[in-house]
Amino acid sequence: ETGVTQSPTHLIKTRGQQVTLRCSSQSGHNTVSWYQQALGQGPQFIFQYYREEENGRGNFPPRFSGLQFPNYSSELNVNALELDDSALYLCASSLGAGLNEQFFGPGTRLTVL
Amino acid sequence: RKEVEQDPGPFNVPEGATVAFNCTYSNSASQSFFWYRQDCRKEPKLLMSVYSSGNEDGRFTAQLNRASQYISLLIRDSKLSDSATYLCVVIGGSGNTGKLIFGQGTTLQVKP
Repeated sequence: ETGVTQSPTHLIKTRGQQVTLRCSSQSGHNTVSWYQQALGQGPQFIFQYYREEENGRGNFPPRFSGLQFPNYSSELNVNALELDDSALYLCASSLGAGLNEQFFGPGTRLTVL
Repeated sequence: RKEVEQDPGPFNVPEGATVAFNCTYSNSASQSFFWYRQDCRKEPKLLMSVYSSGNEDGRFTAQLNRASQYISLLIRDSKLSDSATYLCVVIGGSGNTGKLIFGQGTTLQVKP
């Protein structure tokens, strides 16, 4: 196991609701990246947090926001949920924001009805 | 055009077969290259890094051709346990974000 944990494991929401997903990074890692993986697709980069600051963002609307805490755990918030937000949300932790290996958590499967 | 493109498959092969996966990437400034493996409904896990000189790890061989912007993965003597989705991954060419750019993934099913 990678030591990266995510909660909850599964979640069902309805359109228009808001959701918060959580990620605890591997011990000693100061960087968390979030990815969205739709069914049958590869993961898509949402954003990265390095030492509590956003350090790069993918092509996702502002209703996707995040936070990193002093212990380097992180949250992903999605407002005004849409049906297309249904996906597996993965977080990955790493030591540093550059080319170091990223270790993935098991993911949170979000279903929007 | 997608930044990283793979043939989604599926590839159905018998045990013991040799199978090759290909991948192309669009950004010539890309810095690092990887193959990840993802089992059904699980998280991706790093299989191996890919270097210009080519590298081998047991039954797995990865190659990178920077001029053609092409990456390959060869699996020899396929095992049932190799059945999974194989993701070609590139780290973006600008900035220091370490943003992983994934291909769609190629599904491999190894049959007895």
